[in-house]
Formats: sequence, C-alpha cells, structure tokens
Amino acid sequence: GDSVTQMEGPVTLSEEAFLTINCTYTATGYPSLFWYVQYPGEGLQLLLKATKADDKGSNKGFEATYRKETTSFHLEKGSVQVSDSAVYFCALSDASGGSYIPTFGRGTSLIVHP
Amino acid sequence: EAEVAQSPRYKITEKSQAVAFWCDPISGHATLYWYRQILGQGPELLVQFQDESVVDDSQLPKDRFSAERLKGVDSTLKIQPAELGDSAMYLCASSLAEDYGYTFGSGTRLTVV
Repeated sequence: GDSVTQMEGPVTLSEEAFLTINCTYTATGYPSLFWYVQYPGEGLQLLLKATKADDKGSNKGFEATYRKETTSFHLEKGSVQVSDSAVYFCALSDASGGSYIPTFGRGTSLIVHP
Repeated sequence: EAEVAQSPRYKITEKSQAVAFWCDPISGHATLYWYRQILGQGPELLVQFQDESVVDDSQLPKDRFSAERLKGVDSTLKIQPAELGDSAMYLCASSLAEDYGYTFGSGTRLTVV
C-alpha cells in the first residue's frame, strides 16, 4: 500500500537558519503531494501542495518540489522564525483503485530558538 | 475564511460509556474524512464519505465505532463503548476535490478514564 516516510524529529534550529525536512513516498499511482502544519492543540493546516512531477509548491516562504525520480517531496525554508515551530506532516493522495485515499507521515517536530 | 466546525473541543469520558463527535464541513465540500491522531503520530484515516456514502471505512473498528452522514452535509462519529486506548485527537476534514488538499477542523481531544 501507499506510505509516506518523514525524517525523525525533533529538528532544532536557531532563528534564520535554513530548514530541510525530508519526505519520501511509495505509491502505486500518480499521487498528489502535500505538506501540512500543526500548531499545538490545533488541527492540521494545508501549507502547500504539488499535483504532478516537477511541480513546486510554495507558501509563506516554504517550498517543496515533487521529484518523481526520487519519490521525494522535501520541505525547505531559507530562514526560519520562532513562529514556525510546529509539527509538519507530509501527505499524499493517490487515486489508485478508483478512490482517493489520503496517507500521512508520522510528522516532524520543528523547534526554532531565538 | 470558511472553516470545518467540530464539537466538542474536549471530551472526557469514562470507559464503557458512549461518546459522539460532530463535524460540519465547508459548504459544498462533498468529501468528508474522520481521522484519529494519537499523540506524537500522524493522522490515521477512520472513514471517508463522498456525499452520504461511505467510500472507505476499512480502518474503522466497527465493533465499537460508527459514522454517519445522513444528508451528505454534517457528520457524526460515535464510539460505544469507549476504551482507554481510544484516547486521541479526532479530526474531521473536508475537501472540494482530492487535488485541492483537505481543510481540517480543530479536532476533538478525547480522554477516556
């Protein structure tokens, strides 16, 4: 079945540092890929998405490129802020089998220090 | 900005009791999902609706969990009887179309004591 693998957290950075959170996936079809962010005690918020190979999703300084050849969708940000501290989830939605079944990774916690 | 409404926000219940959660998706979103998120883990899909029909409930523990979306709008997830292991965040999400991504509600934090 489909699966999403994220790097283990927590990722701890100083403010203005460069961020990379790795995500790789396994899917039988041609999935759409997403990054969600979850702040403490809240639901998940869609951060960015990409629906086909080589697409780049971007939002709020975050970006990720759909790499079909490496089955990856790594999240990057050039300069993190304390307010970026949250848990980040990589996810895919795959239409194989006739219906879209969403699959989430386990999440990567990001802690940004001033 | 349109939101997915969930209630209650928090629920504490004793084991063996019944508990229910409610979700009102964004207007016009035909697809509705219920997820369970255990602390420190990613969301796990429990059930997916397309309008009033169940698309996938393969991960729903049907001996104690039930879900309905009678008119294809709001939805209720029920647990009866609740067990200690059911303590988790229950998230509802809706989607206009799968490629758009999902809009999540704030969730219901369930604690079974």
